[in-house]
Amino acid sequence: EVQLVESGGGLVQPGRSLRLSCAASGFTFNDYAMHWVRQVPGKGLEWVSGINWNSRNIASVDSVKGRFTISRDNAKNSLYLQVNSLRPEDTAFYYCVKGISGYYYYGMDVWGQGTTVTVSS
Amino acid sequence: QSALTQPASVSGSPGQSITISCTGTSGDVGGYNYVSWYQQHPGKVPKLLIYDVDNRPSGVSNRFSGSKSANTASLTISGLQAEDETDYYCSSYTSSDTWVFGGGTKLTVL
Repeated sequence: EVQLVESGGGLVQPGRSLRLSCAASGFTFNDYAMHWVRQVPGKGLEWVSGINWNSRNIASVDSVKGRFTISRDNAKNSLYLQVNSLRPEDTAFYYCVKGISGYYYYGMDVWGQGTTVTVSS
Repeated sequence: QSALTQPASVSGSPGQSITISCTGTSGDVGGYNYVSWYQQHPGKVPKLLIYDVDNRPSGVSNRFSGSKSANTASLTISGLQAEDETDYYCSSYTSSDTWVFGGGTKLTVL
């Protein structure tokens, strides 16, 4: 069974940083692209960033470019999201999502349970 | 990177069929066959229903089907059941090398 377990969220002041992690199991992690998607409670979904199986291709939504960095460690079956210069509008539930194939343009299938990031002074 | 356009709500009676539309542009829905649909029950994580416009993952009921015409993708749910009442989201790969979601549609089973 595919399992994705996020961690690293919390309450943080504007301008500070966090590192979100996602531990993957139940599938061959280094065969698949991975994504981060966020959701404000009660609101819609917003794709944040994606990374190919070999980390050679990475993409992010404009609103986080220069502040958020996606990365992965295939040896540790782990996905990360370094989030810097946090803003109140970054407050959301952050999901780790498995790609359908090795390339992020093929879409997403299995979602983790998410971790909450709250940006407030 | 504007969100795809979905109706805020749709409704139907048990046993009927409904269709949820997802309108984008030639830079996303119209330009790629990488359109997915997700179902999300309150307090739960999204579940993939359809990928690559009209493909169903194993385990998803064949009551769910997808299609696309020009810049609009559609999700059809046939034989509507009470358990189908929840939120649905479309998503598409874009020419900006990103993914974009629709605003979501709330389905009410009357």
